[in-house]
Amino acid sequence: QVQLVQSGAEVKKPGSSVKVSCKASGGTFSSYAISWVRQAPGQGLEWMGGIIPIFGTANYAQKFQGRVTITTDESTSTAYMELSSLRSEDTAVYYCVGGVGAFDYWGQGTLVTVSS
Amino acid sequence: DIQMTQSPSSLSASVGDRVTITCQASQDISNYLNWYQQKPGKAPKLLIYDASNLETGVPSRFSGSGSGTDFTFTISSLQPEDIATYYCQQYDNLPGFSTFGPGTKVDIK
Repeated sequence: QVQLVQSGAEVKKPGSSVKVSCKASGGTFSSYAISWVRQAPGQGLEWMGGIIPIFGTANYAQKFQGRVTITTDESTSTAYMELSSLRSEDTAVYYCVGGVGAFDYWGQGTLVTVSS
Repeated sequence: DIQMTQSPSSLSASVGDRVTITCQASQDISNYLNWYQQKPGKAPKLLIYDASNLETGVPSRFSGSGSGTDFTFTISSLQPEDIATYYCQQYDNLPGFSTFGPGTKVDIK
């Protein structure tokens, strides 16, 4: 059973960047895609982008192009999501999710708060 | 990007009622459509994958159907533990791009 464990909550200033990590265990890291999904308070789910570790090339939602970078470190089975030029609207819970097509596995979520 | 719409945005039904949610894609997505349940404060849970396949361990009162642009999610007999928000999600055949629908909040009347 795959488990995804994310880094802890962050508080950031507007204009700064945040990098959230997601460590996988219990499966073959390179065999499934990792995506990042966020959820602003009281809002729906929003797919930000995804990557297949074995291929190493990420795809991003148009909304986040140029502002988000998703990477992986196969040696530690860890995925990262970095979001730059933060604004208050980026305050949300960020989930890493694993699976090919369907998102079978979800991390516990990381709350990122953007506030001056 | 492919756009997803869901209806209704919320509904209230009685225990034992049949509940139906629809999801529409802005272009043909074949059967690349999944359904999730999210309870407050929790991560979403996959219920249905590839439009009509029940995820292991999910009760059989949940079902899905459809292909192309129009999809349906059904709870055959609503239970109190089904109170949640339900999301549809489309994905590319290659694990590239994905989009969620806006969600349907289900309450007990």
